[in-house]
Amino acid sequence: GESVGLHLPTLSVQEGDNSIINCAYSNSASDYFIWYKQESGKGPQFIIDIRSNMDKRQGQRVTVLLNKTVKHLSLQIAATQPGDSAVYFCAEKNSNDYKLSFGAGTTVTVRA
Amino acid sequence: EAQVTQNPRYLITVTGKKLTVTCSQNMNHEYMSWYRQDPGLGLRQIYYSMNVEVTDKGDVPEGYKVSRKEKRNFPLILESPSPNQTSLYFCASSTRTSGRETQYFGPGTRLLVL
Repeated sequence: GESVGLHLPTLSVQEGDNSIINCAYSNSASDYFIWYKQESGKGPQFIIDIRSNMDKRQGQRVTVLLNKTVKHLSLQIAATQPGDSAVYFCAEKNSNDYKLSFGAGTTVTVRA
Repeated sequence: EAQVTQNPRYLITVTGKKLTVTCSQNMNHEYMSWYRQDPGLGLRQIYYSMNVEVTDKGDVPEGYKVSRKEKRNFPLILESPSPNQTSLYFCASSTRTSGRETQYFGPGTRLLVL
């Protein structure tokens, strides 16, 4: 795994290791959070989401953790593969609103 | 195939020459949105639309206009482009199902204003 609790703009991961990507969100009123993956030359693609009434949600090889107390969100990728190389964005919104706010993104590079 | 399409994909223009970037979705989504993406700033929302004839400003609406006359189309208009509008633009659409909202993004339009 990699550093936890600190947002890093870049992350280099050995193939097969687990990756942890962190995100701090700003709005206490946000109750819905989404992780997106953006590959080079493409638009962002939905990975996984989580509502504020949960603190953990799992997908295929990915897990999202939410800590509302410190307004922190993380994405864990198990057994990172070369195809996981991309920019990862967290996004937050309030269910009563239509605005979606994105974080600055973390560029993940997978080393063979 | 469910998708969001944008045209053109690449555009070079000069300051002050009006341009329109089209966006179309075939998923019957109510909600559509425009974002710009700049290095180190992530994606910032320009305008969004909750449904036909309903639009609202996002975080960076200055210098842009939109319209939503039909559900499937949401064009972005730059009446008088300036160099600071050089950016990568994404259109997105979504619908809400069971409290979840998945946005589908188009492939992007790279704009250079000289």
